[in-house]
Amino acid sequence: GAVVSQHPSRVICKSGTSVKIECRSLDFQATTMFWYRQFPKQSLMLMATSNEGSKATYEQGVEKDKFLINHASLTLSTLTVTSAHPEDSSFYICSATEIAGAGELFFGEGSRLTVL
Amino acid sequence: DAKTTQPPSMDCAEGRAANLPCNHSTISGNEYVYWYRQIHSQGPQYIIHGLKNNETNEMASLIITEDRKSSTLILPHATLRDTAVYYCIVREPWGAQKLVFGQGTRLTINP
Repeated sequence: GAVVSQHPSRVICKSGTSVKIECRSLDFQATTMFWYRQFPKQSLMLMATSNEGSKATYEQGVEKDKFLINHASLTLSTLTVTSAHPEDSSFYICSATEIAGAGELFFGEGSRLTVL
Repeated sequence: DAKTTQPPSMDCAEGRAANLPCNHSTISGNEYVYWYRQIHSQGPQYIIHGLKNNETNEMASLIITEDRKSSTLILPHATLRDTAVYYCIVREPWGAQKLVFGQGTRLTINP
């Protein structure tokens, strides 16, 4: 099946710094990627829809200035958590679907962010 | 909001069939039923999806009722590695259509 890769898988940063997480579709092109975050023992919460070459669409309650999303190519989307705080500590997951695929979304391995 | 309802947890003995139910009474004509699972601290893994016919692949079978208001995911011979949270999601199959997760079912396979 299609492969989606995230990097880094784990990151620890100090409060106030910014962290960038990359999401790559390794063997297919994806015009749309999705970013989720997941707190312990909770389900995945959709943060935003990332569209190649245009601005991301954010879900209600998600601060677009805090969670910067860039989708500069058909194989790469990035999520930057700006001025991170301990409450931003979470598991961030991206997903993508093939342009000409059957509709299934493929997920990355996730990136665990810990803000000290 | 998620459009599906699943039991929060289930147990199954290793080697037996695990049958996971899902209610999606408000499903629309264009929406497919998708199943994913998430093993602890990993990204969700695609299992299977279908529109109205029953589907089977190397991982599981999907049984959708005739009125499409509910479905059952069947893992025919559950193993310990099948312990995970299973999510049932309805969605239109177009690339830009987002996947909204509910709470899922935490399936525990017991030895």
